[in-house]
Amino acid sequence: QSALTQPASVSGSPGQSITISCTGASSDFGGYNYVSWYQQHPGKAPKLMISAVSNRPSGVSNRFSGSKSGNTASLTISGLQAEDEAYYYCSSYTGSTSLYVFGTGTKVTVL
Amino acid sequence: QVQLVQSGAEVKKPGASVKVSCKASGYTFTGYNLHWVRQAPGQGLEWMGRINPNSGATDYAQKFQGRVTMTRDTSISTVYMELSSLTADDTAVYYCARGHDFRLDYWGQGTLVTVSS
Repeated sequence: QSALTQPASVSGSPGQSITISCTGASSDFGGYNYVSWYQQHPGKAPKLMISAVSNRPSGVSNRFSGSKSGNTASLTISGLQAEDEAYYYCSSYTGSTSLYVFGTGTKVTVL
Repeated sequence: QVQLVQSGAEVKKPGASVKVSCKASGYTFTGYNLHWVRQAPGQGLEWMGRINPNSGATDYAQKFQGRVTMTRDTSISTVYMELSSLTADDTAVYYCARGHDFRLDYWGQGTLVTVSS
């Protein structure tokens, strides 16, 4: 199972919106809508930001939203803030031998 | 509040094994799977496997099958991940994370394992 493909970096100015894509084979998503997104600041543990494609856990800003079309999932951050500068990883439940797969990771830079 | 507290950093020689612990608190230990995810220096996240603390059943990523063993001790709400035949490529931060409805909602602080001769 190869990692899901994400852009290495995405940048935007404060207040702007950015979108991070996450692409894989149909087998990577396994026909399920169990895509999650995690935020990771340097030296810290990942933090769940989005689950089941578009669900936001309690406490996560509504500036974060998720979607999925075909074999590409996306994370959109609107109203970009300095604190959003971090790495973001997508992940999907595959239902196969290796149950979960992560994306390659995207570094978000706030200009 | 949910907490996952992992054991401290380890330094191991090539060919050795390492056993990392993850102690859970703040929720019903047997009610949720616990997963292990690792991150090599400067690299991305890699799912290693999971354990059902209630039954002890495990699922391992194909890459680690035969080399990883996940166990639990329900009396102290702790899960363990043991990785054998270590090489330099196993140098990484190892995280435990609680699984809930196909998401990893709480994470431990991470344990750095360094493999060096």
